Amino acid sequence: EAQVTQNPRYLITVTGKKLTVTCSQNMNHEYMSWYRQDPGLGLRQIYYSMNVEVTDKGDVPEGYKVSRKEKRNFPLILESPSPNQTSLYFCASSLGAGELFFGEGSRLTVL
Amino acid sequence: KQEVTQIPAALSVPEGENLVLNCSFTDSAIYNLQWFRQDPGKGLTSLLLIQSSQREQTSGRLNASLDKSSGRSTLYIAASQPGDSATYLCAGSRNYGQNFVFGPGTRLSVLP
Repeated sequence: EAQVTQNPRYLITVTGKKLTVTCSQNMNHEYMSWYRQDPGLGLRQIYYSMNVEVTDKGDVPEGYKVSRKEKRNFPLILESPSPNQTSLYFCASSLGAGELFFGEGSRLTVL
Repeated sequence: KQEVTQIPAALSVPEGENLVLNCSFTDSAIYNLQWFRQDPGKGLTSLLLIQSSQREQTSGRLNASLDKSSGRSTLYIAASQPGDSATYLCAGSRNYGQNFVFGPGTRLSVLP
């Protein structure tokens, strides 16, 4: 089954404790991206990647890092999480300029 | 900076009605446009994709159109059903790089 898989789906952590949210797709898509969704602010892009070793900032990259060492994986790294990074995070992928496929989301709470 | 508006913000209709959801971009230079559905606590599911050379797409009871001169898109849902209840989001990409900008969504309730 074609899918985008995110882990963990739910996470509660404390300020400053490094964490990684993993994202994996099994569709051989070259494009992958991360979004956060907040009430009243909608979906905002954090980072995106056009292919292996090619990443670029989206609209809200501050406090986040990404890497794309393999085509299927695009982890989101929060080096020192803060409460304002409490949000619902989505990973998405697509083949070229085609349809965007989203993961189920990762709900992160930073205390 | 591209901004997206969706009207209405919320809509409640009886089952069987035809309805139209609207999406508007401040910058009409849109490469691709997608409509998504989001159920509470879930991810987004792509409904229709209008690519750069297209103006319209249809899938079942759904039809989406894009007027590139005005930067406006509409999603038409025919014969609405309670299972259509969800939040509908539009998103446009500025270029081939797929840097999508999302609208805030329209929350639809279809009453039995």
